[in-house]
Amino acid sequence: NAGVTQTPKFRVLKTGQSMTLLCAQDMNHEYMYWYRQDPGMGLRLIHYSVGEGTTAKGEVPDGYNVSRLKKQNFLLGLESAAPSQTSVYFCASSSWHRDTEAFFGQGTRLTVV
Amino acid sequence: AQKITQTQPGMFVQEKEAVTLDCTYDTSDQSYGLFWYKQPSSGEMIFLIYQGSYDEQNATEGRYSLNFQKARKSANLVISASQLGDSAMYFCAMREGPPNDYKLSFGAGTTVTVRA
Repeated sequence: NAGVTQTPKFRVLKTGQSMTLLCAQDMNHEYMYWYRQDPGMGLRLIHYSVGEGTTAKGEVPDGYNVSRLKKQNFLLGLESAAPSQTSVYFCASSSWHRDTEAFFGQGTRLTVV
Repeated sequence: AQKITQTQPGMFVQEKEAVTLDCTYDTSDQSYGLFWYKQPSSGEMIFLIYQGSYDEQNATEGRYSLNFQKARKSANLVISASQLGDSAMYFCAMREGPPNDYKLSFGAGTTVTVRA
C-alpha cells in the first residue's frame, strides 16, 4: 500500500528553470494539499484541491501553479524558479471527513541556485 | 493572523519524564479538528492524535494525550514517559472550513530533545 508518493525526492534547479512535482495517492482521497516547509516557519499551504478538476490558493501561492486532472494526482508547477523557492515540499491527502488525518508524502527537497 | 501558534521553538526533557507542548489556535468556526504530527529527523510526517471541537473528552493515544481547552482555544500535547525516540519536531494543525472547502493549517513546530 503506497499511500502518498512524491516524485522526485531531490532536485536542483537553476534560477529561471521550470519543473513539476508530482504527487500521487492511492487512497481515493478527495482532498490533496501542497505545503512548503522552511526552518522556523512550519508547513505553509501553497495550494490545495477539494476534488478532481478543482484547485484553490493557500497561504503562499505566488510563483506556483497546480493541476488536478485526475483524482489520484496533484501536480505542483514552478514556471520560473527563484532561490526563494528553495524548500522542502510536502504533498498530503485526506478524505472529506473532518476528523480524519492527512497522509503525507516523503517530501521533495528542492534547491534553486 | 496566525491560525496556529506554537510558542516553544525547542524543549529539552529528561528520559521517562512527561513533557507538554503548547498549541493555541484561532478560528471562528464552531466545528473544527485539531491534530498533532511528529516529524523525526528522517523527515516523514507521522500522525499522532486528533481532537474534534465537539469532543467532550480529551483525546488519548498510548503515551500521547491532548489537553483540550476550548474556551481558551488551546490544544496542548502531553507526552508521558518520554523516550529517546520521541526526539523530533512536533506540529500542531487545525482543519477548519465548510465540508466542501477544508483547509489544514500548521503551526511553526516545537523541537523536542529527550536526554538520557
